[in-house]
Amino acid sequence: AQKITQTQPGMFVQEKEAVTLDCTYDTSDQSYGLFWYKQPSSGEMIFLIYQGSYDEQNATEGRYSLNFQKARKSANLVISASQLGDSAMYFCAMREGSGRRALTFGSGTRLQVQP
Amino acid sequence: DTAVSQTPKYLVTQMGNDKSIKCEQNLGHDTMYWYKQDSKKFLKIMFSYNNKELIINETVPNRFSPKSPDKAHLNLHINSLELGDSAVYFCASSRAGGNQETQYFGPGTRLLVL
Repeated sequence: AQKITQTQPGMFVQEKEAVTLDCTYDTSDQSYGLFWYKQPSSGEMIFLIYQGSYDEQNATEGRYSLNFQKARKSANLVISASQLGDSAMYFCAMREGSGRRALTFGSGTRLQVQP
Repeated sequence: DTAVSQTPKYLVTQMGNDKSIKCEQNLGHDTMYWYKQDSKKFLKIMFSYNNKELIINETVPNRFSPKSPDKAHLNLHINSLELGDSAVYFCASSRAGGNQETQYFGPGTRLLVL
């Protein structure tokens, strides 16, 4: 079974509108972390936002927020007021357990912001 | 200031050659990683080092050998390159402590095997 599922291969959004990128995860660990990364066409991986499994509040970082629904095992990324520069691949990732463990990535969602 | 750097950025080589990719981080992190991103953009962990000690070694052909001379450097040597090795290789680093341990990525090395 896939540990991280991103069901939207591609998404379109109009500039200045909000968009939600879906991510569901599968783990039996009680302690885990969820991350979102952005990969623009230039190729680098940019960290956007983190949510810990024990965090009671949804994480926010500027225009990015994470809609964390633990019971449903979902960690959707919400981008408000989309900008043309938001066009990129977005990856959801999970680190299971505690300690120095690798990230497991989803297959990504390509977001295109239209003027 | 470059946090995680990789050299070279692009690598084009012939099948059967041996090549190395270097990674350096100046974030003071104690853990470093190598990830492979295939042509479908899927990212997968290959190796992880903590304080120069190998702690993660996924199912990777033994033609791939990581080496960490110190906490700030993690190199990847690939012997007898094959067409299927063509991919983008990312180095990343993180700091132990706390729950977050965010991994910061280098710019990637685009390897093309002809």
